Amino acid sequence: DTGVSQDPRHKITKRGQNVTFRCDPISEHNRLYWYRQTLGQGPEFLTYFQNEAQLEKSRLLSDRFSAERPKGSFSTLEIQRTEQGDSAMYLCASSPSALTGQPEETQYFGPGTRLLVL
Amino acid sequence: QKEVEQDPGPLSVPEGAIVSLNCTYSNSAFQYFMWYRQYSRKGPELLMYTYSSGNKEDGRFTAQVDKSSKYISLFIRDSQPSDSATYLCAKGALAGGTSYGKLTFGQGTILTVHP
Repeated sequence: DTGVSQDPRHKITKRGQNVTFRCDPISEHNRLYWYRQTLGQGPEFLTYFQNEAQLEKSRLLSDRFSAERPKGSFSTLEIQRTEQGDSAMYLCASSPSALTGQPEETQYFGPGTRLLVL
Repeated sequence: QKEVEQDPGPLSVPEGAIVSLNCTYSNSAFQYFMWYRQYSRKGPELLMYTYSSGNKEDGRFTAQVDKSSKYISLFIRDSQPSDSATYLCAKGALAGGTSYGKLTFGQGTILTVHP
């Protein structure tokens, strides 16, 4: 069973550096989501894609953040000029297409990428 | 006011107890509701989801939605030490039978089941 995978699992970087995270969704899931989670809080929505189209972005996603899903499969999330406030767990989730007969509302999460900005 | 409010606990119960976890929500148009379990340093794991008022049961877990009072609950029967985790409630929005995509989460309740 191949669930959602994320790489890397951990990233330590210095303030001002750029970082990029990768997410591979469950095969044939056409929706892909990015969330951010800080300690003691629930995940906060950042953005989501349906196939390669980015359909919604949260106002949490500042100009330093960019997400792509160029071929409708894996996705990348890049943070430019990292700040200490970017330290968090970055979670990726995917959900199936309604055409599969599965409920498209059911989002399945990956293990997350834990970012620490020094 | 947050869209989804959840008491962070922590909640500690003895093994075998019935656990009740609760959330309240606002903005009630065309909602669906999810419960996730998250172990320390892991991603959230989907437990249950429901679209309407009433109860939905899956093994030891029962999800309950009361749309009139905007209250959602998760009950765990015969709780086990392996149930010790953070439990997250979330809501999403539907439009024309299609979800908007975004989930709004509560803060999470930390549960410990001790032997």
